[in-house]
Amino acid sequence: GDSVTQMEGPVTLSEEAFLTINCTYTATGYPSLFWYVQYPGEGLQLLLKATKADDKGSNKGFEATYRKETTSFHLEKGSVQVSDSAVYFCALSDSGAGSYQLTFGKGTKLSVIP
Amino acid sequence: NAGVMQNPRHLVRRRGQEARLRCSPMKGHSHVYWYRQLPEEGLKFMVYLQKENIIDESGMPKERFSAEFPKEGPSILRIQQVVRGDSAAYFCASSPPEETYKETQYFGPGTRLLVL
Repeated sequence: GDSVTQMEGPVTLSEEAFLTINCTYTATGYPSLFWYVQYPGEGLQLLLKATKADDKGSNKGFEATYRKETTSFHLEKGSVQVSDSAVYFCALSDSGAGSYQLTFGKGTKLSVIP
Repeated sequence: NAGVMQNPRHLVRRRGQEARLRCSPMKGHSHVYWYRQLPEEGLKFMVYLQKENIIDESGMPKERFSAEFPKEGPSILRIQQVVRGDSAAYFCASSPPEETYKETQYFGPGTRLLVL
């Protein structure tokens, strides 16, 4: 079945540091890929997405590129802020599996210190 | 444009009681998904519904759990005879009917269920 693996956390960075959170996937079809962010006590917010190979999703300074050859969708940001502290989830949607359900990774907790 | 609404935000039940969780999708959205998040875990898919239809319930436990999305009113996730292991955050998401956007889901704030 489909699965998503993302790097273990927690990740602690100083403000203005470079961020990479690795994400790889396995899927039966040709999935769409997503990054969601969850702030404490809240629901998930869509951060960015990509629907086909070599697409780059971007939002709020975050970027991720759909790499079919390495089945990866790593999240990057050049300069993190304290307000970026949250849990980040990589996810895929594989309509070839019969529905649009999302398969999530376990999440990576990011803490940014001033 | 209001987002996905869920209520209650917090629910406390004793073992053996029933829990009813409600979800109102975004305006114009006709697809609803329910997910469960256990502590320190990612979200796990439970069920996918359209109005008056269950499309995919492959993630639902076989007993005690049921879901509906009636023609009028919110979607309901119902847990009968709750046990401590049901304690989790339950998230609802909705997506629009248009084929191009169907796969993008928008999440509600969740209902945090605590079973004593």
